[in-house]
Formats: sequence, structure tokens, C-alpha cells
Amino acid sequence: DAGVIQSPRHEVTEMGQEVTLRCKPISGHDYLFWYRQTMMRGLELLIYFNNNVPIDDSGMPEDRFSAKMPNASFSTLKIQPSEPRDSAVYFCASSPNRGGLGDTQYFGPGTRLTVL
Amino acid sequence: RKEVEQDPGPFNVPEGATVAFNCTYSNSASQSFFWYRQDCRKEPKLLMSVYSSGNEDGRFTAQLNRASQYISLLIRDSKLSDSATYLCVVNAPMDSSYKLIFGSGTRLLVRP
Repeated sequence: DAGVIQSPRHEVTEMGQEVTLRCKPISGHDYLFWYRQTMMRGLELLIYFNNNVPIDDSGMPEDRFSAKMPNASFSTLKIQPSEPRDSAVYFCASSPNRGGLGDTQYFGPGTRLTVL
Repeated sequence: RKEVEQDPGPFNVPEGATVAFNCTYSNSASQSFFWYRQDCRKEPKLLMSVYSSGNEDGRFTAQLNRASQYISLLIRDSKLSDSATYLCVVNAPMDSSYKLIFGSGTRLLVRP
């Protein structure tokens, strides 16, 4: 079975440019999570969706960040405009439909973003 | 105070050693606890869930102390392949939802 798929795997862009990260969760998983990982702050939850509906976006750092989930098999995280401090690894994860409370989260391989 | 705190390490141990990691959490309402493993430049993967009664999976033993709000992971007979960062993860109930809080991780280096 395919796991969580993320694209691109690496992205290098210049400050001010728009960046779009993509994620395909595991089929049948109702929960989708976006995380950001840096050396300084570790792994931080940005936003998560249940059945394509955003449930908690309190981790989204500012208005430059937005996330959508137009259907059960696709989600995007967009940064516009990007800044050097956004450089990090962005992970997408999905979880089965028991609410994720005690369920494993399956992570994608991540997108390594560098903003120059 | 961080919601989940771990000693960052690194713990540098020889093959065959026994090593233990601890983790403390601040939210007494937390109900689910996990250890994840993350290899260098890879994604986190679930190592094991942590149950109140404690649980064992081969060389790995996890324990939970709710009264003191800490979780432990014991690795016996360390292998070179155990070298990784171990993330303590706790769920934090919030209103009608929840979220998982990840510790910053404890780095383990197993040397020949």
C-alpha cells in the first residue's frame, strides 16, 4: 500500500515567492495533519482536517500560511509570500477514522523547504 | 514550561547496553501516549504506544506514570540500528478536539 505522498520533496525558492506543498493521505484515513519541523522548535502542528474540514488551525504561524483540503485524497499548504524563516521540513500525516485520539499518525517523507 | 519535555541527549552507548529515556508532560488530561522514532532526514514513525499498565515489544519497554506525569522508554541490548532520535508524544485534549504534542526528541547513538 502506498503511504502518505508529499511533493515536492525539496523546494528552493526566493523570498517573496509563493510556495505550494502537496499531500496525498493514505486512502481511507479521515484525518490529515500538517506539521513543520525545525531544529529550534522541533515538530509543530500547523493545522489538521477531519473529513476535509479544518478542525484546528491555531498552529498556523500567520496569515501568509493557508491550507486546503478540497477532497479526501488531496491537501495543499501554501505560503505566500515566503520568508527565509519559513525554511523547514514540512510533514503531512494522516490517521484512520477513529478520531486519531489513540491512533497512529502516518507521516509522509516531508518537503524540505529552503527560502533564500 | 514546555508541554512535553525530553532530555535532548545525545546518549552515546556501546552495542549491547541498556538505555532509558524519560519524558514529562504538563497536561494532566492527556489520555494517549506514544514513542515515535525518527531517523536522520526521515519522517517520524510510531515505535510503540504507551499503556497505563506498561508494555513491552521485544527489546523495548514503555511505561507510564500518570501521578508524576512522565513516560519512559527502555531499550535493552542496544543495536547499531537503534541509533535515531526518539520522540515522546502526548495527546492534548482541547475543547472538542485534540492534538498530538511532540517532544523535541532524545538522540541516541549506539557505537560498535
